[in-house]
Amino acid sequence: QKEVEQDPGPLSVPEGAIVSLNCTYSNSAFQYFMWYRQYSRKGPELLMYTYSSGNKEDGRFTAQVDKSSKYISLFIRDSQPSDSATYLCAMRLEAGTALIFGKGTTLSVSS
Amino acid sequence: EPEVTQTPSHQVTQMGQEVILRCVPISNHLYFYWYRQILGQKVEFLVSFYNNEISEKSEIFDDQFSVERPDGSNFTLKIRSTKLEDSAMYFCASRRDREANGYTFGSGTRLTVV
Repeated sequence: QKEVEQDPGPLSVPEGAIVSLNCTYSNSAFQYFMWYRQYSRKGPELLMYTYSSGNKEDGRFTAQVDKSSKYISLFIRDSQPSDSATYLCAMRLEAGTALIFGKGTTLSVSS
Repeated sequence: EPEVTQTPSHQVTQMGQEVILRCVPISNHLYFYWYRQILGQKVEFLVSFYNNEISEKSEIFDDQFSVERPDGSNFTLKIRSTKLEDSAMYFCASRRDREANGYTFGSGTRLTVV
């Protein structure tokens, strides 16, 4: 059973659209949830992190965690061509330090 | 903004050769990591390092791999005898402390084993 599942896409949207990216996971012990953005041939860049369940908003980005459903989401409002990248969900245990990543969803925003 | 620096950006090596990938973590960070990403696959955890010792490692991190912090600034990953399947992007990351959630990744070293 895979620990973190993420639809790889690709996902193509027009500029200004609302984008919804999602991950599911199997290990209920995960406590910290993150979203990273990765441009081609670059390292992952942290966008959002959330501890346990709830929502967190930062500008155009909103992260949601539903631990009862083992489901996390990232919403991007008013998407821009510069948002075109691969978005990786990642999570870790309370006591652990290793991040477990999803496979990433490739997003393309057209102008 | 502080960065994690990795060198080289691309390394080509022959199968069976030893390679050392180098990283300079952010200066006030205490936790250091290596991850790898095989083309088209997930970013996978290899090893974490704290207080001059390995704190956690994955099944991938077998006896062919070793890490070292030879001085106060560098953090290295050594692969003793490379295999074709070691070809991947290798990312170094660092984290300020145990409570910090911001893992900062470097731009990676693309290792190609031929």
